Amino acid sequence: GNSVTQMEGPVTLSEEAFLTINCTYTATGYPSLFWYVQYPGEGLQLLLKATKADDKGSNKGFEATYRKETTSFHLEKGSVQVSDSAVYFCALSVPIYGNNRLAFGKGNQVVVIP
Amino acid sequence: ETGVTQSPTHLIKTRGQQVTLRCSSQSGHNTVSWYQQALGQGPQFIFQYYREEENGRGNFPPRFSGLQFPNYSSELNVNALELDDSALYLCASSPIGGGAHYNEQFFGPGTRLTVL
Repeated sequence: GNSVTQMEGPVTLSEEAFLTINCTYTATGYPSLFWYVQYPGEGLQLLLKATKADDKGSNKGFEATYRKETTSFHLEKGSVQVSDSAVYFCALSVPIYGNNRLAFGKGNQVVVIP
Repeated sequence: ETGVTQSPTHLIKTRGQQVTLRCSSQSGHNTVSWYQQALGQGPQFIFQYYREEENGRGNFPPRFSGLQFPNYSSELNVNALELDDSALYLCASSPIGGGAHYNEQFFGPGTRLTVL
């Protein structure tokens, strides 16, 4: 089946530090890959996406590269801010018969300390 | 452009009751999906509706059912509520056709359901 694995546990770091959140996937076919962010008490917002191998998605200083050879889509940001504190979810979609259901990882809580 | 909206925001029910949650899709979107997000977990796909018919279902029992209306809005119905149904229920809509937003889903703020 299609599934996403994110690194265990919350991530706590200081402002201006480098952020990496690991994401690996298992999928049949050719998935599209996504990172979503969830701020406290809110729904999910699409942060970035990549639809084919070697694509790089980027938005708001965040980047992730679709690596087919390692089945990974790690999220990175060079200098985090307090406002980046949120929960980050990696997800994939393999459209079958027009159904673009998303399979999510468990999420990582990111806490940025001033 | 109005985004995805959901109602109500919060809801408290007791075990065995039935509940209906509502979702209005974003303008120009014809597909609606529902997800259940338990506390501290990632969202789990419940089902998707396209052209008023169910178009794919996740691993949820039949007491979870839905509808989509001609204006693309949708309802999620849950019968015989159980304590484990307590969660944030998220609705997401997808645009018609491809283009820059191909394969994307746009989420509403969710309905927080508590079952006592």
